[in-house]
Amino acid sequence: DTAVSQTPKYLVTQMGNDKSIKCEQNLGHDTMYWYKQDSKKFLKIMFSYNNKELIINETVPNRFSPKSPDKAHLNLHINSLELGDSAVYFCASSRLLILQETQYFGPGTRLLVL
Amino acid sequence: TQLLEQSPQFLSIQEGENLTVYCNSSSVFSSLQWYRQEPGEGPVLLVTVVTGGEVKKLKRLTFQFGDARKDSSLHITAAQPGDTGLYLCAGTSGNTGKLIFGQGTTLQVKP
Repeated sequence: DTAVSQTPKYLVTQMGNDKSIKCEQNLGHDTMYWYKQDSKKFLKIMFSYNNKELIINETVPNRFSPKSPDKAHLNLHINSLELGDSAVYFCASSRLLILQETQYFGPGTRLLVL
Repeated sequence: TQLLEQSPQFLSIQEGENLTVYCNSSSVFSSLQWYRQEPGEGPVLLVTVVTGGEVKKLKRLTFQFGDARKDSSLHITAAQPGDTGLYLCAGTSGNTGKLIFGQGTTLQVKP
């Protein structure tokens, strides 16, 4: 039983294309997140949603647009992909939007922009 | 801007050795979490420390939160090859659930 799942696992695309990454959690959690991990393994939060409401939007280019159709899903759409967008994108979820809550991470989506 | 600095960035040791990973900041955090990430997978939470001076043990792993809640350490006793992975510290503050991660420590334990 996968708790947090992401699709696709690998994504190779050309510069300028538009792509989406999907995330689903079956834990019944209220809060979901998107993180970006760069080539040096540095992990940085991009967005968080609580009950489908945007809570955190960390100085991310407008080309990135998260969408939460329901509490169990948080998708990430990226327009006009750039070389610098190549990274591993992780989705995560937590039971509540409070401190010290455990965040459960998905397996990641490896995006390579050529 | 809150930053967490982890050291060392890379560590390669022999099975049975002890090691300590440090996580330092000039900022105060409400809590500090430690994660382990294996290749091709997402980070998995090991522990959360909340109180200044708190020490938590997880089998051969000992985690400590600094008295001033600005730093933390992870000590592994008698490291085993199964401990190999990327160790990440992450601090929390505010009420948004935002995690601020350190740069990570890549640990390799050779048999």
